[in-house]
Parts: sequence; structure tokens; C-alpha cells
Amino acid sequence: DTAVSQTPKYLVTQMGNDKSIKCEQNLGHDTMYWYKQDSKKFLKIMFSYNNKELIINETVPNRFSPKSPDKAHLNLHINSLELGDSAVYFCASSQGRSTGELFFGEGSRLTVL
Amino acid sequence: GESVGLHLPTLSVQEGDNSIINCAYSNSASDYFIWYKQESGKGPQFIIDIRSNMDKRQGQRVTVLLNKTVKHLSLQIAATQPGDSAVYFCAERGGTALIFGKGTTLSVSS
Repeated sequence: DTAVSQTPKYLVTQMGNDKSIKCEQNLGHDTMYWYKQDSKKFLKIMFSYNNKELIINETVPNRFSPKSPDKAHLNLHINSLELGDSAVYFCASSQGRSTGELFFGEGSRLTVL
Repeated sequence: GESVGLHLPTLSVQEGDNSIINCAYSNSASDYFIWYKQESGKGPQFIIDIRSNMDKRQGQRVTVLLNKTVKHLSLQIAATQPGDSAVYFCAERGGTALIFGKGTTLSVSS
């Protein structure tokens, strides 16, 4: 059983479209995250939720909207996609907000044409 | 802004050698540091962490050293194996967010 699973794994779309990436964790964790990894492998935090409450919202365009329907799920919706949104998006979870031990999914590679 | 970074983007070693991956951080208020390993096509995986009240911590074949005086962190991998080939990231806990450095690609040749 995959601990943190993301779908889809690959996403190719045109500029201006809207897309969503889904994330689910079966670890019973209470904190979930979205990270963006660019072509140079730099990992940057985007959002974090703790018990369905948004606790981190970094400087991310408001075209990006996270949604956490319950503790086990954190989805990412992106409106009006731009070329610069092309990246690998990683979902992660942890038990509590203060631990440094995050469990990452395998990533969703988004390509915007 | 302050950030965590790494000294070298790539490191090549022979199988069986010891590897040392370095990281410099600039936020002197950081008190918690973590190393992650990312294999090709996968998400980062937690390796080991260390709090600022320690200067050394050992795991299985890995040791993390923390030098707060010069704000330097290192990961030592003993008897490096081909399976250790990956990108290694140091990270610091900045507030509630985990801030990652730029990564060092470790290549292990047989």
C-alpha cells in the first residue's frame, strides 16, 4: 500500500487550462503539504494544512488553490495554467507540524505547453 | 533572504568509499536540520535529523555533523554503495515550514 499517493503522475496540458492534482495519505498523519520542484531540483513549500486548516501559504499566485476535504486528503487546483507552472509537484504528510520527517509522494509532473 | 544551500552540486565516489556531503546555512536562529535523499523519479525520503543542541548524530551507515559556529552541516555516508546514488538535500525547519537547500547529486561508480 502506497503511503502517500498522488494522481495523476503525469499531466500535459495547454496554457490557460485548469487542472487538479489529488493527494491521499494512509499514514494517519494530521499535517499535509504541497511542494514544487523546478527543473533545477529546487524544492519550495507552497502550502501546508494541519487538521484541514491552512497553516502555511507561501507566496504562491492565487491561481493555485489547495483544498483539504479531510485529514487524509489534500488536493491542488491550478487555474489558468502558465508555462512557468511546469514543474514536479510533491505532496507530503507528517505527524504534527514540528517534525522534520515528511513522507513524500512520488510527484506529479506537470508540463504546460 | 536567508536560505539553506549546499557547497557542491555534484559528488562522484567509488563504491566502498566514504562520502561527505556538505551544507551551509545562513539562518543562525535555525535549531533543527534534516537530510533527505531523492532517487530519480521518486519523492524525497527522510534520512536523518539533528537538533541544534547536538553536534553529531549517527544512523545506519550515516552520520550527520553540525557545526553551529560556522553554520555548517554535513552528511557522511560510510562504505558508499551504488544504491546511494541520488540527490541529497539538507533542510531546516524555518517556523512551520521545511526549507530545502539546492541539493547535491551523488554518483557512485562500481
